[in-house]
Amino acid sequence: SQTIHQWPATLVQPVGSPLSLECTVEGTSNPNLYWYRQAAGRGLQLLFYSVGIGQISSEVPQNLSASRPQDRQFILSSKKLLLSDSGFYLCAWSVKANYGYTFGSGTRLTVV
Amino acid sequence: AQSVTQLDSQVPVFEEAPVELRCNYSSSVSVYLFWYVQYPNQGLQLLLKYLSGSTLVKGINGFEAEFNKSQTSFHLRKPSVHISDTAEYFCAVSRGSARQLTFGSGTQLTVLP
Repeated sequence: SQTIHQWPATLVQPVGSPLSLECTVEGTSNPNLYWYRQAAGRGLQLLFYSVGIGQISSEVPQNLSASRPQDRQFILSSKKLLLSDSGFYLCAWSVKANYGYTFGSGTRLTVV
Repeated sequence: AQSVTQLDSQVPVFEEAPVELRCNYSSSVSVYLFWYVQYPNQGLQLLLKYLSGSTLVKGINGFEAEFNKSQTSFHLRKPSVHISDTAEYFCAVSRGSARQLTFGSGTQLTVLP
C-alpha cells in the first residue's frame, strides 16, 4: 500500500538557523509531490510542487527552497529562517489530480 | 482560473443536529471536487470526492455531498453530528487537465455537547 512519511513532527528553531524537512513516499513511483504551509488562522498555501526528479515549481517567492533528489523524496529547506516561516507544513502526493492528494501528518515549525 | 469559496469560516452546531458546510467554485470547464477533513495537528484526510456520475456522493464518517452544476456548488452534509466531528473541513477543486488542487480557506466545525 502507499504511504507517506513526513518528519519531524514538531520543530523549534531560532531565527537565522537553517531548515530541512523531509518527505518520502512508499508504494508508488513517479508521484507528483507538493509542499503546503498553513499559517495560524489561514488556509493552505501551496509552496512548491514537483512532477519528477529535479523538477521543482515554486508558487510563492520566499526564502524557502525545495529539492527532489530521488523519485519519492521531497525536501523543504531554508538557509536562514524568519519568524514568518512559522506554521504547519504539509507534504502531499498524487498520481493523477482527479483522484485527489494524500497528505502526510505535517510538521509544526515554530521559529523563535 | 478556478477558485473555491467556503462561505462560512466557523460553524458551531449542537451534537446530533444536522450540519451543512457550504462550498462554491468557479470554473469554466469540467471539474473534480473534493472534501478533506483536518483534525488538530494532523494532515488532511480525504472525506469524499466527485469525479463523475451520480451527483450525490457518500463519504466516510457519515458525510455526503451533492454536486450542483447549475449552482456551481458542492455542499457537505451530515444528518447528525458527533463531538468527534469537530475539525476543520476543506473543499477543493481540480480541473480535468490540471495536476493541482485549489483549496478553499476552510470551515471550522465545532460540535457542542
